[in-house]
Amino acid sequence: NAGVTQTPKFQVLKTGQSMTLQCAQDMNHNSMYWYRQDPGMGLRLIYYSASEGTTDKGEVPNGYNVSRLNKREFSLRLESAAPSQTSVYFCASSDWLEETQYFGPGTRLLVL
Amino acid sequence: GESVGLHLPTLSVQEGDNSIINCAYSNSASDYFIWYKQESGKGPQFIIDIRSNMDKRQGQRVTVLLNKTVKHLSLQIAATQPGDSAVYFCAEIPQYNTDKLIFGTGTRLQVFP
Repeated sequence: NAGVTQTPKFQVLKTGQSMTLQCAQDMNHNSMYWYRQDPGMGLRLIYYSASEGTTDKGEVPNGYNVSRLNKREFSLRLESAAPSQTSVYFCASSDWLEETQYFGPGTRLLVL
Repeated sequence: GESVGLHLPTLSVQEGDNSIINCAYSNSASDYFIWYKQESGKGPQFIIDIRSNMDKRQGQRVTVLLNKTVKHLSLQIAATQPGDSAVYFCAEIPQYNTDKLIFGTGTRLQVFP
C-alpha cells in the first residue's frame, strides 16, 4: 500500500499560470481532503469530498477548484495562480468524515 | 529548507527523557481528538487518537490524556528518541461539524543526545 500519493513534489509557477495538483489513495477511503500549510497558520482546509461524486468548500476555497475524479483520485486546480497561493499543499483521505485522516507527502508550490 | 514551524513553540528534551506536549482545544462539543507527527519535508503522520468518552489511551511509547473540564489534551512520549524530533499537532473533530478537522498550530520537539 502506497497510502496517499501526491504529484508533483515541487512546482514553481508564474503569476497567472494554471496547474493541477494530483492526489490518489489506495486505501479504499470514501472521503478526501485538500489542505494548505503556511508558517504559523497550521493546516487549513481548502476543499473536501465526503464521498465519490460530492465536493464541498472548506475554510479557504477561494482561488481553487477540485474534482473528485473517482473514488481514488481527488485533484486540486489553481486556475490563475497568485503569490498568496505559495504554500505546501497536502492531500488526505479517511474512511469517512469522522475518521482519522491520512496525509500524503505534500506538494511545495512557489508562485512568483 | 522546511519553512513550516519557524515560529512554533519548542520543547527541547534529552534523549531518554520523557516528553509531554500540551494542547488546548477550542470546542467543548468536540468528541474526537488526534495527535499527528510531522517530520521536516513530510506530511502529518497519525500517532494516536482518543474519543471524548475516554480520559486516557496508550499506544507504543505514547499516551494521550484528555481533560474535558479544562479542554486540554496532552501527548506523553516515553524514553524520547532522536527519531521523535518533529512538529506535533493536535487536531479535533467537532461533534456537529464532522467535515472539519481543526488543527492546533503545533509544537516542535527537539531531542538532544
